[in-house]
Amino acid sequence: QSVLTQPPSASGTPGQRVTISCSGSSSNIGSNTVHWYQQLPGTAPKLLIYSNNQRPSGVPDRFSGSKSGTSASLAISGLQSEDEADYYCAAWDDSLNGVVFGGGTKLTVL
Amino acid sequence: QVQLVQSGTEVKKPGASVKVSCKASGYTFTSYYMHWVRQAPGQGLEWMGVINPSGGSTGYAQKFQGRVTMTRDTSTTTVYMELSSLRSEDTAVYYCARSWDSGSAADYWGQGTLVTVPS
Repeated sequence: QSVLTQPPSASGTPGQRVTISCSGSSSNIGSNTVHWYQQLPGTAPKLLIYSNNQRPSGVPDRFSGSKSGTSASLAISGLQSEDEADYYCAAWDDSLNGVVFGGGTKLTVL
Repeated sequence: QVQLVQSGTEVKKPGASVKVSCKASGYTFTSYYMHWVRQAPGQGLEWMGVINPSGGSTGYAQKFQGRVTMTRDTSTTTVYMELSSLRSEDTAVYYCARSWDSGSAADYWGQGTLVTVPS
């Protein structure tokens, strides 16, 4: 059971906009920044969004992040087949004194 | 360019220990924290702990307290993660990943090391 809650799956057709939610509590998302990682099959995770809504260099602006209270969201617009991957949210937890991850969301591009 | 290169695949017997290395290059080794994250087959990411290569201080997830030890060698810019009393549930890919501080995002990841503990 993960500390952060994500839907196990999401899907969309090419060109569509999809969102993935991440729910936490006051000790993690409520008091710290949220980061999102993309993991393509058989590869290491890759940083997609940091500090709630910042994109590292090289990440397309189709990817965006937001946070409100104890929840966060990742939005992907103009969905492409290469976006098919697992997506994880993460945050520091002040009570656990460590990083907590969501369980991951498998995105399927139909 | 930043690179984190991990040691190779390990197969260990139950009860044994494993030590995985992560050699960092392309940046100032002591300026970034290093996390260890594992992923069991078909499962999600699980944070194990973090080390500050500057002073060597560590923080471990409660689940692994007493069983994990993270160390660093500044002369070779390498961090190590040793996990003891291995059991079949420890079969996973282990990743090192660097971050600016303990709570910031991990911007570079190693390629992963598969550790298999047959049951």
